[in-house]
Amino acid sequence: DVVMTQSPLSLPVTLGQPASISCRSSQSLVYSDGNIYLNWFHQRPGQSPRRLIYKVSNRDSGVPDRFSGSGSGTDFTLRISRVEAEDVGVYYCMQGTHWPPYAFGQGTKLEIK
Amino acid sequence: QLVESGGGLVKPGGSLRLSCAASGFTFTNAWMSWVRQAPGKGLEWVGRIKSKNDGGATDYAAPVKGRFTISRDDSKNTLYLQMNSLKIEDTALYYCSTLNAIPIPDYWGQGTLVTVSS
Repeated sequence: DVVMTQSPLSLPVTLGQPASISCRSSQSLVYSDGNIYLNWFHQRPGQSPRRLIYKVSNRDSGVPDRFSGSGSGTDFTLRISRVEAEDVGVYYCMQGTHWPPYAFGQGTKLEIK
Repeated sequence: QLVESGGGLVKPGGSLRLSCAASGFTFTNAWMSWVRQAPGKGLEWVGRIKSKNDGGATDYAAPVKGRFTISRDDSKNTLYLQMNSLKIEDTALYYCSTLNAIPIPDYWGQGTLVTVSS
């Protein structure tokens, strides 16, 4: 099974500053159709997860453009250009290329300094 | 919208059936997943059922395979998770979701809490 490894696990950030989260997979996430099925989710405290990004770099509807995703093969990154207070919570990457099972990363907790 | 129900306190070895009522999208066409989150922990995929149009097959994570069964009633727009032989480590908030990695909306319910304890 594919293992997803995120870093850092804790990310204190000053408001207005950028933030970056890394996600690595134990094998390439390139599917036979050439696509990479890598999602990013955000879970605010006490809320359900919400998908932010699908297929590495595509933002879901309503997701602010300060969020961006990039990467290829086994290395992926979620970037927030300027952190706002509403961005606190836990961020998860998830691979949907080699299923079953879908695999989530351990989560990265973003907090405001 | 997805609304889960059926959670509660159950003893080890017991059974529980969760339900997830869907509305606002074409449930019949959706591949549906259950995802759980143990207290203070991360997200863990439990299993998935394809749409009947795509064969209706189910897949499960290794820790629940053989104990949990996912089913759906498209006439009621409802997803189910039958959980048997429950273990303490199954204690978690269980979410139903249209979890996918393609450009269609991704919906999650609010979760229903399952506590396995003697």
